[in-house]
Amino acid sequence: EPEVTQTPSHQVTQMGQEVILRCVPISNHLYFYWYRQILGQKVEFLVSFYNNEISEKSEIFDDQFSVERPDGSNFTLKIRSTKLEDSAMYFCASSPLDRVGGQYFGAGTRLSVL
Amino acid sequence: DAKTTQPTSMDCAEGRAANLPCNHSTISGNEYVYWYRQIHSQGPQYIIHGLKNNETNEMASLIITEDRKSSTLILPHATLRDTAVYYCIVRGYNTDKLIFGTGTRLQVFP
Repeated sequence: EPEVTQTPSHQVTQMGQEVILRCVPISNHLYFYWYRQILGQKVEFLVSFYNNEISEKSEIFDDQFSVERPDGSNFTLKIRSTKLEDSAMYFCASSPLDRVGGQYFGAGTRLSVL
Repeated sequence: DAKTTQPTSMDCAEGRAANLPCNHSTISGNEYVYWYRQIHSQGPQYIIHGLKNNETNEMASLIITEDRKSSTLILPHATLRDTAVYYCIVRGYNTDKLIFGTGTRLQVFP
């Protein structure tokens, strides 16, 4: 069964450093998403991406965040200058052309900012 | 914020049906009901969605009341691996984001 793949599974970084979280969505999907979950808290929407541009973003997704689809398979989330409060699980998701359908999530990247 | 209300926790015996309720009394006409689950700290897993008709797939059945103000997710034969937090989410056609609440923690016991 096709699945969303995220790498790395755990990323440790120093405060102020840039990090790039990587995702390979399901191959025929056209909508891509990033969510995050701070330990013990709810899953929060960050951004959605379609047709090589951001289609929707939350208040969390400020200028420190950016997304990119550098090639036909990868989808990345960059955090320019990490803060302690960016420590969380980051989940990538994708959905097919039918936007109404389900979003399929990866296993997540645990980001630890020290 | 989440537009749904779910019980905090439920128990179910292995092999029995698990019926998870959700109240979404302010749902509007173009909003769908989605169910996801999250096992421990894994990524949320899509289960099923519907607009007004009942739906069934290989994982579960979704029963939506005629007035669409509430729904029930049914896992017909719960297993220990179904122990998870189950989220009921209402989402409009014109938005991408899923708004997760705190969900229902389902514990399946032997």
